[in-house]
Amino acid sequence: EDKVVQSPLSLVVHEGDTVTLNCSYEVTNFRSLLWYKQEKKAPTFLFMLTSSGIEKKSGRLSSILDKKELFSILNITATQTGDSAIYLCAVASRGNDMRFGAGTRLTVKP
Amino acid sequence: DAMVIQNPRYQVTQFGKPVTLSCSQTLNHNVMYWYQQKSSQAPKLLFHYYDKDFNNEADTPDNFQSRRPNTSFCFLDIRSPGLGDAAMYLCATSRDSTGALRPQYFGPGTRLLVL
Repeated sequence: EDKVVQSPLSLVVHEGDTVTLNCSYEVTNFRSLLWYKQEKKAPTFLFMLTSSGIEKKSGRLSSILDKKELFSILNITATQTGDSAIYLCAVASRGNDMRFGAGTRLTVKP
Repeated sequence: DAMVIQNPRYQVTQFGKPVTLSCSQTLNHNVMYWYQQKSSQAPKLLFHYYDKDFNNEADTPDNFQSRRPNTSFCFLDIRSPGLGDAAMYLCATSRDSTGALRPQYFGPGTRLLVL
């Protein structure tokens, strides 16, 4: 059975800290891995990763995929209170199927 | 701005009373998805339309149906809502093409309450 596992499930840090969120997966016919940020509403798209070893960056956020070891990490440097959210990892496979992980709830304290 | 719109944002229904949630998009994406998200859980895919082709997830209850009358609109019908169907329902769209996968863009969601 396909599965996507995120860790940690919850994380509390202080502003300025750097955090690393993990996502491991087991799926058949992997197509891509996506990271989303979910605050109080719908998830908003952050990154899509399809190739191993190529880092994607957007400001203080970056992500990389390892297709051999079947995981991805999302890094956030110099965290701010506005980074507080649930970060969802999703893996697309078998056509348009997409399976989400349970998410990591990040709380950034002032 | 191109976007994904869901109506209503909040829906209250009675146990067993059919309800329809709607989603429209101006992105001209060919794939539309419906997800169910319960409190503190990840979104769970119910089904999706690839163009006009309907794709149901194996564990989606028969109580949930969907219609896509045209490219822009997609509906989620819950025939006999139970208390366990109370959740946020998210619509998402993507433009997929052979050999590539595009990210999904989500609407704001409809929060369903079943009394």
